[in-house]
Amino acid sequence: GAVVSQHPSWVICKSGTSVKIECRSLDFQATTMFWYRQFPKQSLMLMATSNEGSKATYEQGVEKDKFLINHASLTLSTLTVTSAHPEDSSFYICSAHPPRGDYEQYFGPGTRLTVT
Amino acid sequence: QKEVEQDPGPLSVPEGAIVSLNCTYSNSAFQYFMWYRQYSRKGPELLMYTYSSGNKEDGRFTAQVDKSSKYISLFIRDSQPSDSATYLCAMKETSGSRLTFGEGTQLTVNP
Repeated sequence: GAVVSQHPSWVICKSGTSVKIECRSLDFQATTMFWYRQFPKQSLMLMATSNEGSKATYEQGVEKDKFLINHASLTLSTLTVTSAHPEDSSFYICSAHPPRGDYEQYFGPGTRLTVT
Repeated sequence: QKEVEQDPGPLSVPEGAIVSLNCTYSNSAFQYFMWYRQYSRKGPELLMYTYSSGNKEDGRFTAQVDKSSKYISLFIRDSQPSDSATYLCAMKETSGSRLTFGEGTQLTVNP
C-alpha cells in the first residue's frame, strides 16, 4: 500500500522560532500534497494544496507568509511554521495524491507541534 | 451551513453492537464518498470508499450512499474494542482532488 511519512512526529519549540515539517511519499510519486491542521477533538482543516513545482494554494484565512510550503519534488513537501507562537500548537497532517488516482489521498501519521 | 455535517458524538457502545455512523451533505457535486478511521494522535486511514450511490461491504463494514437524500452511512457489525477511534466521512467532487471532511464521530466500544 501507499505510504506517507512525516518528520518529525513530535516537536517542541520556543516562541519566535521556526519549525520545518517534512512530508514524504515513500513508494509513489505525488503530484499533489495537502497540509491539514487538526485541533483536539476536531476534524481536519485544510490549510493548503501543494503542487509539485508550483506555488501552493492556501485556504482562506491561512497566512501564507507564516506557513511556508515547498513542494520541490514528487516525493517531498515541506511545511515551515515561521515565528511560531503558542496558538500555532496543533497536530499537522499531510496527505499525498497519486497522479493517476481518482479519489485517493494517503495520509501521513501527523506531527504534533508544541510551541512554548 | 457546513457542506458536510456529522454528529461528533461521542458514541459509546458495548462490544458486539451494530454501530451506525452518518453524514449529510449539501453539495450535489460530490461523487466520491469515503470513510476514514483515525486513532488518537495518528493520521486518518481509509476504510471504505463509494463512487456515486449504492452500497459497499467489506468484512464487518458496510458503506451506504443515498444521493437523493444527500446522506451517507457507515455500519460496523460485531463491533470490537479495537474499533474505538474517530470516524471521519469525506467527500470529493468528480474533478480535482480536494476532500471535504465531516467533523468526525468519536466511537468507543466497551469490552
